[in-house]
Amino acid sequence: RKEVEQDPGPFNVPEGATVAFNCTYSNSASQSFFWYRQDCRKEPKLLMSVYSSGNEDGRFTAQLNRASQYISLLIRDSKLSDSATYLCVGTRNTGFQKLVFGTGTRLLVSP
Amino acid sequence: DTGVSQNPRHKITKRGQNVTFRCDPISEHNRLYWYRQTLGQGPEFLTYFQNEAQLEKSRLLSDRFSAERPKGSFSTLEIQRTEQGDSAMYLCASSLVPRDTEAFFGQGTRLTVV
Repeated sequence: RKEVEQDPGPFNVPEGATVAFNCTYSNSASQSFFWYRQDCRKEPKLLMSVYSSGNEDGRFTAQLNRASQYISLLIRDSKLSDSATYLCVGTRNTGFQKLVFGTGTRLLVSP
Repeated sequence: DTGVSQNPRHKITKRGQNVTFRCDPISEHNRLYWYRQTLGQGPEFLTYFQNEAQLEKSRLLSDRFSAERPKGSFSTLEIQRTEQGDSAMYLCASSLVPRDTEAFFGQGTRLTVV
């Protein structure tokens, strides 16, 4: 089993829609969590950290469910500019944190 | 620009040649990572440094791959006797631990082995 697993998509949604992505993780990648955004042929960029209490940043909400070992990202009022790949990231439970990436979920927002 | 810088941005090489990539992290960052990414996949961990110490190497990193960070600042990744399967985007990232856990990525070096 992969340490971090995501549905690769693509998720095709119209502008203004609400879309949610889930990501599951294994025990070995369960220390801290992040969502990164990656545009085509560009580097990944941090979108938001994921806290146990859940956190919100504008139209984006991230939640963590440790009991079921998944994290989620909710995007409200989708914009065309939200089209990208969203990477779920966990960190290894070793002495030195190491980022472990999922394969990414591709989002396409259409007019 | 004070972000992570990688050079070159693109590299085309013939199979069997050696290539070297450079990464300059954000100046105060003590941790530096190398990742490799192929189309449709998330970045795969290769190795990382805490200051000048190389702490972990992935099984993906065969003996043809070597990385250094001699003074705890910039890092180089060398691939010897390149193979077509080495074609990928090589990403460098840096972070400042323990203050921050998030990592910041450079724009990557895209390697094509022909």
